[in-house]
Amino acid sequence: QKEVEQDPGPLSVPEGAIVSLNCTYSNSAFQYFMWYRQYSRKGPELLMYTYSSGNKEDGRFTAQVDKSSKYISLFIRDSQPSDSATYLCAPYSSASKIIFGSGTRLSIRP
Amino acid sequence: DAGITQSPRHKVTETGTPVTLRCHQTENHRYMYWYRQDPGHGLRLIHYSYGVKDTDKGEVSDGYSVSRSKTEDFLLTLESATSSQTSVYFCAIRSSPSGGANTGELFFGEGSRLTVL
Repeated sequence: QKEVEQDPGPLSVPEGAIVSLNCTYSNSAFQYFMWYRQYSRKGPELLMYTYSSGNKEDGRFTAQVDKSSKYISLFIRDSQPSDSATYLCAPYSSASKIIFGSGTRLSIRP
Repeated sequence: DAGITQSPRHKVTETGTPVTLRCHQTENHRYMYWYRQDPGHGLRLIHYSYGVKDTDKGEVSDGYSVSRSKTEDFLLTLESATSSQTSVYFCAIRSSPSGGANTGELFFGEGSRLTVL
């Protein structure tokens, strides 16, 4: 079993839709849960992160972690064409190597 | 701008030839990483370094070696390139926390696209 599993997509939704991106993980030691966004032919950039369980909101983006079920989600409200990118989850603890989910390619149709 | 430069950005080579990719940072960070990215596999860790001359293997280290003789440079070498090593290679750095949380945030370079024929 991979340490991090992520729906690969691709996912195509109309502009204004709510998007849900998800990952599962197996290592209960993970404490930080990162989401990176990667535009085509660019390196990934950190979008946001949460610590432990709970929700964190940043503008149109909400990251959610459920440690009991080892499930990570990223929600995008009022999606825009500029949100079209690949989204990668990356759970982390200080004792672990930094590994990534396989990424979900998202396309927002105008 | 995290001050990371990868070179070369694009390279085409033939099977069996040696290839070296260079990652240069200007921020004096301790941790540096090499990942490869392939469709359906996401980012996979090849090797990483936690200091000068201190390196360790990642998930997919077979066929790759690394060296770090000074803080600012982390080299990835393919001793004898194979077609399965055709990929986009990303270097990343991690800043050491200074009073803040050790979140593991990485800063990535722009990538090096390698094609092995």
